[in-house]
Amino acid sequence: DTGVSQNPRHKITKRGQNVTFRCDPISEHNRLYWYRQTLGQGPEFLTYFQNEAQLEKSRLLSDRFSAERPKGSFSTLEIQRTEQGDSAMYLCASNRYTRGYTEAFFGQGTRLTVV
Amino acid sequence: KNEVEQSPQNLTAQEGEFITINCSYSVGISALHWLQQHPGGGIVSLFMLSSGKKKHGRLIATINIQEKHSSLHITASHPRDSAVYICAVSPYSGGSNYKLTFGKGTLLTVNP
Repeated sequence: DTGVSQNPRHKITKRGQNVTFRCDPISEHNRLYWYRQTLGQGPEFLTYFQNEAQLEKSRLLSDRFSAERPKGSFSTLEIQRTEQGDSAMYLCASNRYTRGYTEAFFGQGTRLTVV
Repeated sequence: KNEVEQSPQNLTAQEGEFITINCSYSVGISALHWLQQHPGGGIVSLFMLSSGKKKHGRLIATINIQEKHSSLHITASHPRDSAVYICAVSPYSGGSNYKLTFGKGTLLTVNP
């Protein structure tokens, strides 16, 4: 499978626990993006990487959130001390950045439920 | 007021009908995207356009940069077209074209 892969697909956690999600982009894609989507809303941009460098973070990304892409390949998004408001779909996308515009491919998302 | 507004929010159609979903935006953009999201969450990119019109099968997307408006048309709609259709824009920043601002989506249901 050469698409964007996200794991796990679903995660249920108790409030206060830490969770980590993984995104494996398409192998030749150097840009990777994280989005969050709450019920009934469109996704919201969280952060993006070019290779291993995190180039921008949304103010939505509180101190409890951290994202990494250590070798410029897969990325992880960790949420510490989860809150019920963190319940959402977390989406990852990747594309290959060139001087032109290239379309991105999205993963299936990780649905987080904080109980 | 959201930077990206879609209408209608919900749309029910009979199989075979011609469908139009509209998107208006209020910021300068480098590109506009139409995305499809099925139950379960996965998103598929349908179109990315910065001017004019694009066609793929039964789907047509148009954009009017001056009016800051785009439309997605589905001809000969089919129940398998039932999904949420999302409009998103890449702000004109010279940076990442996928730091997107999304609309809330249009839930399309096509009945047989």
